[in-house]
Amino acid sequence: DPKIIQKPKYLVAVTGSEKILICEQYLGHNAMYWYRQSAKKPLEFMFSYSYQKLMDNQTASSRFQPQSSKKNHLDLQITALKPDDSATYFCASSAGRPQYFGPGTRLTVL
Amino acid sequence: TQTVSQSDAHVTVFEGDSVELRCNYSYGGSIYLSWYIQHHGRGLQFLLKYYSGNPVVQGVNGFKAEFSKSDSSFHLRKASVHWSDSAVYFCAVSFMLSGSFNKLTFGAGTRLAVCP
Repeated sequence: DPKIIQKPKYLVAVTGSEKILICEQYLGHNAMYWYRQSAKKPLEFMFSYSYQKLMDNQTASSRFQPQSSKKNHLDLQITALKPDDSATYFCASSAGRPQYFGPGTRLTVL
Repeated sequence: TQTVSQSDAHVTVFEGDSVELRCNYSYGGSIYLSWYIQHHGRGLQFLLKYYSGNPVVQGVNGFKAEFSKSDSSFHLRKASVHWSDSAVYFCAVSFMLSGSFNKLTFGAGTRLAVCP
């Protein structure tokens, strides 16, 4: 059974629209993260949450907003989508170290 | 500035060969090092980690890595590769900042191709 669920697996959006990427973890971890992987850049850290509180934000744009409705959920809302936002977005979780990753959501913005 | 570099973008070997995938970092403080594997179209799978103690750490599927403070390196090795080891390997480093390890900084990845 998958321990970190990301939905949807694939997502196509038009420029200017808004999408929410879902992440749920069933590992009992207290920390959750978002990373982005694109063709132009290596895997890059976006956000980290611990006990549903934002710990670190390395995303320059406010268009990216994490949302934690439950302690095992960390969704990512992206507004005013741009073609440069096209990437695979990975959710991860940890109880200390190491971090474990979900299968990713591949977002394509047309 | 903390950086992670993987000098080889591609490595090609034959099944049964040994392989070393290199990772170097730049940072003078406490660090936590790890390796992940990503098969095509999949998520990242954790292989192994090092923070302190024995500088040689064993991971899954026969992988091991050796930490060298003098060389600022954490190279990954396997004695005899299998075709199923073909994947992209990422070195990831977490730097101790503000009293905690938080984000992972990844290298660009090394694509390992194992030929039958």
